[in-house]
Amino acid sequence: DGGITQSPKYLFRKEGQNVTLSCEQNLNHDAMYWYRQDPGQGLRLIYYSQIVNDFQKGDIAEGYSVSREKKESFPLTVTSAQKNPTAFYLCASSIGLPGQGQGRQPQHFGDGTRLSIL
Amino acid sequence: AQSVAQPEDQVNVAEGNPLTVKCTYSVSGNPYLFWYVQYPNRGLQFLLKYITGDNLVKGSYGFEAEFNKSQTSFHLKKPSALVSDSALYFCAVRARNSGNTPLVFGKGTRLSVIA
Repeated sequence: DGGITQSPKYLFRKEGQNVTLSCEQNLNHDAMYWYRQDPGQGLRLIYYSQIVNDFQKGDIAEGYSVSREKKESFPLTVTSAQKNPTAFYLCASSIGLPGQGQGRQPQHFGDGTRLSIL
Repeated sequence: AQSVAQPEDQVNVAEGNPLTVKCTYSVSGNPYLFWYVQYPNRGLQFLLKYITGDNLVKGSYGFEAEFNKSQTSFHLKKPSALVSDSALYFCAVRARNSGNTPLVFGKGTRLSVIA
């Protein structure tokens, strides 16, 4: 089955610790995205990548970092600089390259990682 | 700048009654519009989208949505609600000329269908 796999499902972080959330897709999508979801605030964009080896900051990038070395993978690191990391993190992907009508394509989501502070 | 407003945090409806979840948007030019549903501790599932053409769009699980350009709205509807429709619903927008830039989401509306 094609889809997006996020791991782990639950993650705990100690104060001062960096943690990395995994996101892997086998949909052959070019674009990938990371969102943070907090109760009552909807989805807020952290980072996105439209092509391998390139990514852009979203609305709340401070305290986070990403890499896009492979088309299938877009890991998110929550650094110790992120003071309030407790949230539900969602990864998404979509068909990307120009000429493919990419704007009209929906984003496909993984099942999320819930990060908590110990 | 693009934005989406979902004016109701919570919608309650009796099973078997019609339901409407409201969405208005702001975008430069013409929009692509999307509805998603989220069940507890799960990701978002795509329900339907408006691209062009017929203003009434049909999607998964019996849901439909009506695009109204003059009112900049894209309300989600279902003729007869089921208890299993209880979930969190998100509306999203993308400007038509913006490629695969990220969707902009509303804050979500929690739908509760009561038996």
